[in-house]
Amino acid sequence: AQTVTQSQPEMSVQEAETVTLSCTYDTSESDYYLFWYKQPPSRQMILVIRQEAYKQQNATENRFSVNFQKAAKSFSLKISDSQLGDAAMYFCAYRTIGGSQGNLIFGKGTKLSVKP
Amino acid sequence: DAGVTQSPTHLIKTRGQQVTLRCSPKSGHDTVSWYQQALGQGPQFIFQYYEEEERQRGNFPDRFSGHQFPNYSSELNVNALLLGDSALYLCASSDSPGGAFFGQGTRLTVV
Repeated sequence: AQTVTQSQPEMSVQEAETVTLSCTYDTSESDYYLFWYKQPPSRQMILVIRQEAYKQQNATENRFSVNFQKAAKSFSLKISDSQLGDAAMYFCAYRTIGGSQGNLIFGKGTKLSVKP
Repeated sequence: DAGVTQSPTHLIKTRGQQVTLRCSPKSGHDTVSWYQQALGQGPQFIFQYYEEEERQRGNFPDRFSGHQFPNYSSELNVNALLLGDSALYLCASSDSPGGAFFGQGTRLTVV
């Protein structure tokens, strides 16, 4: 069975600085999707960034980028120029390609605090 | 576009009771998934509906059941509520591998 591990329960960053959140996963499949979701206190899960395992290029969305290391099964999220609005829980998630859409396997999350 | 909407936002039930949670998917999405998120944990997959049928199911007992209507909206039913069923219930919809879109969830408290 696939698993997702986030080893940092909490992280803190100064406003305008850069922070990296870690995620590792375990799977025997060669093709899959990886995601980072943000969950602010409003509770709604917001898709931050997506990576397809068959693409070697790391995904980037504005201030958010990932470091995808397929052999190491590592998928870290880098947030540049951190803003107060980035404070939230961040969840790493995995989904198979051949399986049903939306069946995500989540890590336990990392709580990110942003200091002004 | 209203996105994924869930109702109610909060709910308090007594042990042994039954509850129904509702979800309207994002416009154009035909697949609805339900997740349970306990406090301090990541969401856990309950089941997924597509074309009004349960397509896939996570490791949840039969007390958890669902339904999808022709307009793609969905219900999650939980029977014989236990204290441990207290959680945030999230609905997500999708129509492609591009990632699921979530609603704001229903906070269920069982007393």
